[in-house]
Amino acid sequence: AQSVTQPDIHITVSEGASLELRCNYSYGATPYLFWYVQSPGQGLQLLLKYFSGDTLVQGIKGFEAEFKRSQSSFNLRKPSVHWSDAAEYFCAVGATGNQFYFGTGTSLTVIP
Amino acid sequence: IAGITQAPTSQILAAGRRMTLRCTQDMRHNAMYWYRQDLGLGLRLIHYSNTAGTTGKGEVPDGYSVSRANTDDFPLTLASAVPSQTSVYFCASSPELGAYNEQFFGPGTRLTVL
Repeated sequence: AQSVTQPDIHITVSEGASLELRCNYSYGATPYLFWYVQSPGQGLQLLLKYFSGDTLVQGIKGFEAEFKRSQSSFNLRKPSVHWSDAAEYFCAVGATGNQFYFGTGTSLTVIP
Repeated sequence: IAGITQAPTSQILAAGRRMTLRCTQDMRHNAMYWYRQDLGLGLRLIHYSNTAGTTGKGEVPDGYSVSRANTDDFPLTLASAVPSQTSVYFCASSPELGAYNEQFFGPGTRLTVL
């Protein structure tokens, strides 16, 4: 069965520090991978996606993610976090059969 | 502004009552989705539709029904609400149905069933 794991429920970083949010997936074929961000009281917004090709993908707001097939991972990174990045982050897998599986989310707190 | 609207924003409902959550998009997307978001469980797909007149079941469809009479609207109905359906419900759409499509999300409906 397909699944998405985000092992970190909550992360706190200082403004200006680097960030890495972890995502592991379980899927038999090459997955379609996404990272979404949810600000408080809002719906989800796409940050970036990976389908094929270059394993390092760039997204909006200075985020990037790297697909590592050997580790079944798709970790999200940002070199320097801004206070406005505080939000909930979701990793998702698009699977055959028109199913989508989201991770449980990682809540990011940014301290000044 | 193009996007997805959901109504109501929030609702408190007595158990056993019928409730319809509304969702409208103006992006002319073919595919639409309903998710529920629960703490510690993330988002789970309830139902989806790939075009007007066609719907499909997601991961957690029991207790919910949907219809797709036209491209723009995709209402979600709880025929007889139960407390376990207390959740935040998100409607989403994408240009086409398919695992590779970016989904665009509405602002959500917070539903409390007592």
